[in-house]
Amino acid sequence: DIQLTQSPSFLSASVGDRVTITCRASQGISSYVAWYQQKPGRAPNLLIYAASTLQSGVPSRFSGGGSGTEFTLTISGLQPEDFATYYCQQLNDYPVVSFGPGTKVDIK
Amino acid sequence: QVQLVQSGAEMKKPGASVKVSCQASGYTFSLYAMSWVRQAPGQRPEWMGWINAGNGNTKYSQKFQDRVTITRDTSASIAYMELSSLRSEDTAVYYCTRGRTQFANTPMDYWGQGTLVTVSS
Repeated sequence: DIQLTQSPSFLSASVGDRVTITCRASQGISSYVAWYQQKPGRAPNLLIYAASTLQSGVPSRFSGGGSGTEFTLTISGLQPEDFATYYCQQLNDYPVVSFGPGTKVDIK
Repeated sequence: QVQLVQSGAEMKKPGASVKVSCQASGYTFSLYAMSWVRQAPGQRPEWMGWINAGNGNTKYSQKFQDRVTITRDTSASIAYMELSSLRSEDTAVYYCTRGRTQFANTPMDYWGQGTLVTVSS
């Protein structure tokens, strides 16, 4: 099975900051990565798929990049509503789908 | 608009089974995949399995292969997930999710509100 790690696991930032979260896969997964945002008590929400494609309705301050084994989610200009936990997901290991351990973004 | 509405919270005893439903609306049900994902308290989401809502083909996580069954009723646009031989470690919120396409391994663009399943004696 493909293992995913995320760094950092916790991030403290201020409104307006640019933050980057990294997701690493234990083996190459091409661009079969998605990113989700989850707020407490809510279901995850799809932000990015195919490593860099913005899901419809998601603000353009979110961007994704990378391929192979290393991927990034960047938030350019953190907003109050962006404080949440972010998960990467790999979709390469048919039929298995797996999620990273998460990165919690908190207010500094 | 796309909506996935799940059945209500369940409390079960160890060894019992639970069946969670997911009523879809706002799109053509048979044209998209449906996956079930669970999330234990403080843990990452965990994929359980997938169904092609059109032809009924399924794929399950090896972890749940022997205990989970995913079905659908295309006439009513409902998907179901049944988990048997419940144990305390199955206590979690269970989500149905729509895939962006009809295929497995597709990003999950809509999620139900979640169903809390509590397993306790």
